[in-house]
Amino acid sequence: DTGVSQDPRHKITKRGQNVTFRCDPISEHNRLYWYRQTLGQGPEFLTYFQNEAQLEKSRLLSDRFSAERPKGSFSTLEIQRTEQGDSAMYLCASSHPGLIYEQYFGPGTRLTVT
Amino acid sequence: AQKITQTQPGMFVQEKEAVTLDCTYDTSDQSYGLFWYKQPSSGEMIFLIYQGSYDEQNATEGRYSLNFQKARKSANLVISASQLGDSAMYFCAMREGQSGATNKLIFGTGTLLAVQP
Repeated sequence: DTGVSQDPRHKITKRGQNVTFRCDPISEHNRLYWYRQTLGQGPEFLTYFQNEAQLEKSRLLSDRFSAERPKGSFSTLEIQRTEQGDSAMYLCASSHPGLIYEQYFGPGTRLTVT
Repeated sequence: AQKITQTQPGMFVQEKEAVTLDCTYDTSDQSYGLFWYKQPSSGEMIFLIYQGSYDEQNATEGRYSLNFQKARKSANLVISASQLGDSAMYFCAMREGQSGATNKLIFGTGTLLAVQP
């Protein structure tokens, strides 16, 4: 079991460009979460999937953000027309159906928008 | 609305001593859960310990224990016998919602712990 993986680990992009991040949860984990962490703050919830269904989205997730989990395995988070305020660490977490309270986090993708 | 408060931005502790990191929470739910995560400089959030609101005994995991005082709405983390590798950011978090719900986590602002040799 290799843990939650995220790709890329770092992304630098220019304002206005689109970016896509990938998260591979631990196998057999049916719940997947995306969080965003800005400097000096704790992570904030963005969205949640149970299998392939996106069941909740935060108000933080503007129309420029979209997340998918097409086959209930890996997930992608896309940000369109990036803004400097999108600069943050994007964290993915997953949990097992038998231990739904324990979320295991990936290493994160650090996005810098210049 | 649920809220987690961590009032200690930074803490120092001598190696091999115990340290307590404070956490208070606010919720109107009867069923909730409290967590502590460790975040080293590498960025990954590492799960340390969990306490359910109906658990009568304080949770313990190795050198970590959670001092749960329900009436005071506090869930302090105690690290015994501190090690240099314990230097990191520590976040208190609360699970929002009851079983079967999203179980999304609400985090505090964190406490930066520095263990001194």
